[in-house]
Amino acid sequence: KNEVEQSPQNLTAQEGEFITINCSYSVGISALHWLQQHPGGGIVSLFMLSSGKKKHGRLIATINIQEKHSSLHITASHPRDSAVYICAVDGSSNTGKLIFGQGTTLQVKP
Amino acid sequence: NAGVMQNPRHLVRRRGQEARLRCSPMKGHSHVYWYRQLPEEGLKFMVYLQKENIIDESGMPKERFSAEFPKEGPSILRIQQVVRGDSAAYFCASSPSGTVNYGYTFGSGTRLTVV
Repeated sequence: KNEVEQSPQNLTAQEGEFITINCSYSVGISALHWLQQHPGGGIVSLFMLSSGKKKHGRLIATINIQEKHSSLHITASHPRDSAVYICAVDGSSNTGKLIFGQGTTLQVKP
Repeated sequence: NAGVMQNPRHLVRRRGQEARLRCSPMKGHSHVYWYRQLPEEGLKFMVYLQKENIIDESGMPKERFSAEFPKEGPSILRIQQVVRGDSAAYFCASSPSGTVNYGYTFGSGTRLTVV
């Protein structure tokens, strides 16, 4: 079993829909990251969380440390949100030794 | 204030050649991390470097791969005698310190194709 599991693996939505991507992990962490990767593109860091909730524009990220679970929400989704969303956890060692989930491929149709 | 710069964006090498991938961290960042993304697989940590020091190379393949971050200039990931299995996207990230609080800034990656 992977140490970081994301669900769903693939997600198709209609423009305007509310989207949720889940991430569960089984190791101790100092922080959890949500990343975005467009096809053939670079990686953009969306959020870094160690507790609670963060919001940036239409994106919301939450984390429950006790349950070892995080969610990424996209409100009013748009075709430009189509990308791979990756959850990554930073272990207690603080060395950049991130453990990545397999990613969730999101397609938002107009 | 440029972000993390990686070059080249695309690199084609024949089997047996050497590949050199460069990463210039963000200004003010002294910590560099390399990750590899194999086709149809997730990202994997390779190595963590500070200026002139390798801090953690536990994710590096035992042979043919090396990394450095000299006092001056970019960090270099070097792959000797490349094989088809080395074809992947290689990403670099940087941070201003080794603590997690500052997060990481990623580059656009180098796509290596071995023919």
